[in-house]
Amino acid sequence: EDKVVQSPLSLVVHEGDTVTLNCSYEVTNFRSLLWYKQEKKAPTFLFMLTSSGIEKKSGRLSSILDKKELFSILNITATQTGDSAVYLCAAITNAGKSTFGDGTTLTVKP
Amino acid sequence: GAVVSQHPSRVICKSGTSVKIECRSLDFQATTMFWYRQFPKQSLMLMATSNEGSKATYEQGVEKDKFLINHASLTLSTLTVTSAHPEDSSFYICSASGTGGAYEQYFGPGTRLTVT
Repeated sequence: EDKVVQSPLSLVVHEGDTVTLNCSYEVTNFRSLLWYKQEKKAPTFLFMLTSSGIEKKSGRLSSILDKKELFSILNITATQTGDSAVYLCAAITNAGKSTFGDGTTLTVKP
Repeated sequence: GAVVSQHPSRVICKSGTSVKIECRSLDFQATTMFWYRQFPKQSLMLMATSNEGSKATYEQGVEKDKFLINHASLTLSTLTVTSAHPEDSSFYICSASGTGGAYEQYFGPGTRLTVT
């Protein structure tokens, strides 16, 4: 059975801190890994990672995939209170099936 | 970026009635749409995958006759919760992908269903 595990489940930091969120996966016929940020409503897309070792960046957020060790990390530098959210990762198979992790709840205190 | 809308955003219905939720891709053609449900403080659970013009593929444990999915066009998919019961109360979210696969999914804003 396909499985995605995120850690930590929750994290509390202060503004300006750097955080690293982890996502490991066990998926048959893996295609891509996606990161999402979910605030009050539906998730918003952050990154899609398909190749190992290539870092994707968007502002203070960056992410990288390791297909050998079957994990991905999401880094957020210089955190702000607006970064507080649930961060979800999902593994996608070649058949298009998605399996989501339980998410990491990030709280950034002023 | 790609925009996906859902309607209604919130619905309250009585037990035994049916509710239809619409999911539209506004600025791209969605060959594949996905329906999820999410319980409070839990992650997204994929219910079904639908491709335009064909029958939806349901995940294990999801009742096909209870959750009717129609993907009649490249911009619209509907989820109908039939004979709703209080345990069907949840947050239902659709997502759409324009590449024929689940490579990048763009999510709708979700529909909060409450069955009384």
